[in-house]
Amino acid sequence: AQSVTQLGSHVSVSEGALVLLRCNYSSSVPPYLFWYVQYPNQGLQLLLKYTTGATLVKGINGFEAEFKKSETSFHLTKPSAHMSDAAEYFCAVSAYSGGSNYKLTFGKGTLLTVNP
Amino acid sequence: NAGVTQTPKFQVLKTGQSMTLQCAQDMNHNSMYWYRQDPGMGLRLIYYSASEGTTDKGEVPNGYNVSRLNKREFSLRLESAAPSQTSVYFCASSEEISTQYFGPGTRLLVL
Repeated sequence: AQSVTQLGSHVSVSEGALVLLRCNYSSSVPPYLFWYVQYPNQGLQLLLKYTTGATLVKGINGFEAEFKKSETSFHLTKPSAHMSDAAEYFCAVSAYSGGSNYKLTFGKGTLLTVNP
Repeated sequence: NAGVTQTPKFQVLKTGQSMTLQCAQDMNHNSMYWYRQDPGMGLRLIYYSASEGTTDKGEVPNGYNVSRLNKREFSLRLESAAPSQTSVYFCASSEEISTQYFGPGTRLLVL
């Protein structure tokens, strides 16, 4: 079984400051890892994903995440926060469920607020 | 190309009423999913369909039924709504390994 733990349900940063959202996972098989972003009253949008290969993954809007197998972590970072980054962020791990179908297990989310 | 669409956007039900949430995707994806989102709980999988003609239970299937009508459409039915089913419901679809694309959601309030 897979699980995801997001450390901190709410993170607050100043505009221009570093954004760091933490995610740890457990998986019995090599994981696929994802970060999704949800803006108010909208669905989830893929930010970035790790499947295989390079462990530093770059996504949209200047975000990136690094897969660290030894630490079972996939933390999301952005060097300089912008007001438009205010949203809820979800980390997810995939579990193979047969054929070409994979199920996602989500963390409980981290709400990011950006202060002017 | 609309991606994943859901109807209705918002619904109010009384306890015991039934309703069907509709979902359609135009990306020719094989797999489709229904999730519910509750505050502080993240997204929890209700049912999924790996391909047309197949459906399987997810983490929280009780009180729900699904139908994979064709490759495009995947509906979620509440036969007898309960206040505990007040939530935001998201449909998603996927083709390549694991990347799921989400609809805008349906907000359901059960009184």
